[in-house]
Amino acid sequence: GQQLNQSPQSMFIQEGEDVSMNCTSSSIFNTWLWYKQDPGEGPVLLIALYKAGELTSNGRLTAQFGITRKDSFLNISASIPSDVGIYFCAGRGTSYGKLTFGQGTILTVHP
Amino acid sequence: NAGVTQTPKFQVLKTGQSMTLQCAQDMNHEYMSWYRQDPGMGLRLIHYSVGAGITDQGEVPNGYNVSRSTTEDFPLRLLSAAPSQTSVYFCASKGGSLPYEQYFGPGTRLTVT
Repeated sequence: GQQLNQSPQSMFIQEGEDVSMNCTSSSIFNTWLWYKQDPGEGPVLLIALYKAGELTSNGRLTAQFGITRKDSFLNISASIPSDVGIYFCAGRGTSYGKLTFGQGTILTVHP
Repeated sequence: NAGVTQTPKFQVLKTGQSMTLQCAQDMNHEYMSWYRQDPGMGLRLIHYSVGAGITDQGEVPNGYNVSRSTTEDFPLRLLSAAPSQTSVYFCASKGGSLPYEQYFGPGTRLTVT
């Protein structure tokens, strides 16, 4: 089946720093999604990408749909303590609604 | 709207016991799904439904049953719990206007001893 490799697995940064994480796939995806999960909660959708090359922002977050359709990137600028959590990428191939998730990036922000 | 709700929030079972995890949504979404989340493995799709009366298997369906008698509810049944089913379970739904953007419930943390 389709697999996503998400990196890095974890990050420890200082408040105010910028953050980058990415997902790569061995197969093509038609949609890329980025989610954030707070402790004890379900994932919450941050950004959705629908076209190769698309660059979309949501506040301090910016995500890109790779031109090859096999990767996606998420950047967080000027991190703050509430950015702490697990970030997941998810991709949709040709199957309606079925998402494949990356393993997650655990982000820790030190004040 | 309450969004996607799940009950219970925590559950401990003994091996061999059965139980049903409840999931409900009040957004009139056609598509609903169940995932399990294990450390270092992201979320894996168990079962999904594209509408009332229609269900299909996901990536890891063994040991789980589902049914979809109404648009609102999508329960997940464990017929004979095993320690390998210890996990956090998430229900999700999505609507037609944003077809690929699933909204998740708060999760059920299940421990099988």
